[in-house]
Amino acid sequence: AQSVTQLGSHVSVSEGALVLLRCNYSSSVPPYLFWYVQYPNQGLQLLLKYTSAATLVKGINGFEAEFKKSETSFHLTKPSAHMSDAAEYFCAVSEGFQKLVFGTGTRLLVSP
Amino acid sequence: ETGVTQSPTHLIKTRGQQVTLRCSSQSGHNTVSWYQQALGQGPQFIFQYYREEENGRGNFPPRFSGLQFPNYSSELNVNALELDDSALYLCASTPGAEETQYFGPGTRLLVL
Repeated sequence: AQSVTQLGSHVSVSEGALVLLRCNYSSSVPPYLFWYVQYPNQGLQLLLKYTSAATLVKGINGFEAEFKKSETSFHLTKPSAHMSDAAEYFCAVSEGFQKLVFGTGTRLLVSP
Repeated sequence: ETGVTQSPTHLIKTRGQQVTLRCSSQSGHNTVSWYQQALGQGPQFIFQYYREEENGRGNFPPRFSGLQFPNYSSELNVNALELDDSALYLCASTPGAEETQYFGPGTRLLVL
């Protein structure tokens, strides 16, 4: 079965600093990979997705992620954090018939 | 905006009762998936419907059931509610053959 591991339940950065959220996946077939963001008391919003095209994927709000097959990783980055980036971030892998398997999430805290 | 709506936004029930949650997708979104997100956890796949037929199920008991209607709306029914059913319930719809799931804002269920 496919699975996702997100390292670090909480990540704290200063405004303007680099954001790096880690995601490693397990899959026996080429995966589809996703990053979603969840603001308090809201649903999930798609940030970006990897579907076997370019390995560097650009998403919304300045986020990007790089698919590295050799490391089974799909880490999310943003060069400069903004206060509005504070939220919960989920990495997910697609497991057949479009079922999504999610990691446990990483809460991003941004301090002024 | 994803075009996916859910109702109600919040709901309080007591143990043993039954509940119906509703989801409305965009026209053309033939696939709908339901997820349960317990507090502090990532979403867990409950089941998926494609053209009104169940198309995959996660590790949830039969008291979790669903329906999908021709007008792109769907329901999640939970019988014999248990305290552990307290969670945010998310529905997600997928247009055509895309891999991307678009989430609604969720229904927060509290079982007392």
